[in-house]
Amino acid sequence: DVKVTQSSRYLVKRTGEKVFLECVQDMDHENMFWYRQDPGLGLRLIYFSYDVKMKEKGDIPEGYSVSREKKERFSLILESASTNQTSMYLCASRPHRGNSPLHFGNGTRLTVT
Amino acid sequence: KQEVTQIPAALSVPEGENLVLNCSFTDSAIYNLQWFRQDPGKGLTSLLLIQSSQREQTSGRLNASLDKSSGRSTLYIAASQPGDSATYLCAVVYGNNRLAFGKGNQVVVIP
Repeated sequence: DVKVTQSSRYLVKRTGEKVFLECVQDMDHENMFWYRQDPGLGLRLIYFSYDVKMKEKGDIPEGYSVSREKKERFSLILESASTNQTSMYLCASRPHRGNSPLHFGNGTRLTVT
Repeated sequence: KQEVTQIPAALSVPEGENLVLNCSFTDSAIYNLQWFRQDPGKGLTSLLLIQSSQREQTSGRLNASLDKSSGRSTLYIAASQPGDSATYLCAVVYGNNRLAFGKGNQVVVIP
């Protein structure tokens, strides 16, 4: 079974802190994604990566950056956390083949105070 | 731009009834459609994946159909149980490896 692991289930950070959310997958998938999920807004794509060191902005990249130094790891960085970044963050991965399934991690519930 | 709609946003059914959840998408040029389940505060768990060339997929009490030409998929859950209470989301893969999600159907199965 594919495993996508997010390093933290819950995080509480202060406004202005730099925050790192880590995601690791164990199936050699090329594509990795970071979403945030908010009530009434559904899943919104922040960034995705289709290969090591490659990244593309999603629909809401402002205030975020990402890093993909190794194929299995995709990190989301909040440069200076703000209260409006309080959300559920979900990492996902899938192979590049268009007909392959998407696999999600368990999510990180981030609260910025 | 691909848009995915799931209506209604929330529904309740008595235990034992069959659940029917609908997902519609605007662009029929998809690679596949995937149904997920999400429990409160958790990630998404994959239920079924239907390739664009397929009409349906089955797993236990779950059956998903796909009608690409009309831009619709339906998830059937037979003989619903309280443990089926969750939010169900559909997602399509299209274009240059892009994904589009519906906002989900929040289901409550009443014992």
